[in-house]
Amino acid sequence: GNSVTQMEGPVTLSEEAFLTINCTYTATGYPSLFWYVQYPGEGLQLLLKATKADDKGSNKGFEATYRKETTSFHLEKGSVQVSDSAVYFCALSVISTTGNQFYFGTGTSLTVIP
Amino acid sequence: ETGVTQSPTHLIKTRGQQVTLRCSSQSGHNTVSWYQQALGQGPQFIFQYYREEENGRGNFPPRFSGLQFPNYSSELNVNALELDDSALYLCASSLALAGYQETQYFGPGTRLLVL
Repeated sequence: GNSVTQMEGPVTLSEEAFLTINCTYTATGYPSLFWYVQYPGEGLQLLLKATKADDKGSNKGFEATYRKETTSFHLEKGSVQVSDSAVYFCALSVISTTGNQFYFGTGTSLTVIP
Repeated sequence: ETGVTQSPTHLIKTRGQQVTLRCSSQSGHNTVSWYQQALGQGPQFIFQYYREEENGRGNFPPRFSGLQFPNYSSELNVNALELDDSALYLCASSLALAGYQETQYFGPGTRLLVL
């Protein structure tokens, strides 16, 4: 079956620290992979995506590389800011015979302290 | 450009009742997906509608049903409400072209409480 497993939180970092949030997946077929972010009081929004193996998605200083050999899509940022405090969700989409399917991880809460 | 809107923002129902949630997709989008997000969990995919037809369904019972209208807005209907249906219901719209789906844009959600 299809599923997403992401690193449990909460994660607390000091400003300018390096961030890694782990995400691994299982999928039939060829999934697309996503990271979504939910800032306090706001809705879910796409942070970055990768649609095939070895693709790197990047946005706002965040990066993630689609690794088919390790079935992973870890989120990284070299220097976090207080404004990065949010909940981060790893997700995948697959196209099946019955249509599209989407799977989200449980979310990782990040707090960045000054 | 108008974003994804959902109504109502909150509602309270009792067990056994029926509920209809509404979603207006972003201008230019032809696909709507619905998700259920329990507190502290990630969104769970309920189903997707494309050109008024169901185009994928998650692991939800038939009492969860939907509609998409010619203007691409959508409804989620839940019959015989159960306590576990209490959650935030999210709608997301996107543009699908030639089998490729663009980015999903999420609405703010409807928070449903079942007593």
